[in-house]
Amino acid sequence: DAGVTQSPTHLIKTRGQQVTLRCSPKSGHDTVSWYQQALGQGPQFIFQYYEEEERQRGNFPDRFSGHQFPNYSSELNVNALLLGDSALYLCASRSQGWETQYFGPGTRLLVL
Amino acid sequence: GENVEQHPSTLSVQEGDSAVIKCTYSDSASNYFPWYKQELGKRPQLIIDIRSNVGEKKDQRIAVTLNKTAKHFSLHITETQPEDSAVYFCAASRFGGGSEKLVFGKGTKLTVNP
Repeated sequence: DAGVTQSPTHLIKTRGQQVTLRCSPKSGHDTVSWYQQALGQGPQFIFQYYEEEERQRGNFPDRFSGHQFPNYSSELNVNALLLGDSALYLCASRSQGWETQYFGPGTRLLVL
Repeated sequence: GENVEQHPSTLSVQEGDSAVIKCTYSDSASNYFPWYKQELGKRPQLIIDIRSNVGEKKDQRIAVTLNKTAKHFSLHITETQPEDSAVYFCAASRFGGGSEKLVFGKGTKLTVNP
């Protein structure tokens, strides 16, 4: 049983570029959340997807957008990258109705 | 807004000693409190969680206590081992109320010295 997977593992971009990160949830899970983890900090909630809709959003600008596909996988898109977007981006999945969230290994994004 | 304070930020203990990490949350409607362990370069891994209808939960060497009145919850690790060395994060969420995001503390770096 595969856990949460994410791709790519590492990414280097320059300011102003756009990036797409991908997440496959744990088998049996239908709800995906994205978190940003800056160095030395706890993860910060970006948004959550369920039934292909954004259900909840954290305090992040509209440059951050997402999508969920019918197979429950998800993408995080960030436009007009800023240096401050450099972080570890974590995907977490769970089953709707259950609290426990399982995290993927993350994508480490570096913006130069 | 919601906030979770976590203390201490660093903790160094001798192997075999106990370690205690404390968190305080601001949202009185929070009802789910997980703890995650994150080793360097790895994903956060759930080690134990507690719901608001329970005051204490134990799993082998790990225990979590919750004081809803004071809005405090704590992680207790007994008989620490070098492999317990990692960053530990507490989190809180208001599960079932339409606000199910996890709000994390800033983490505690635990070092267990052999």
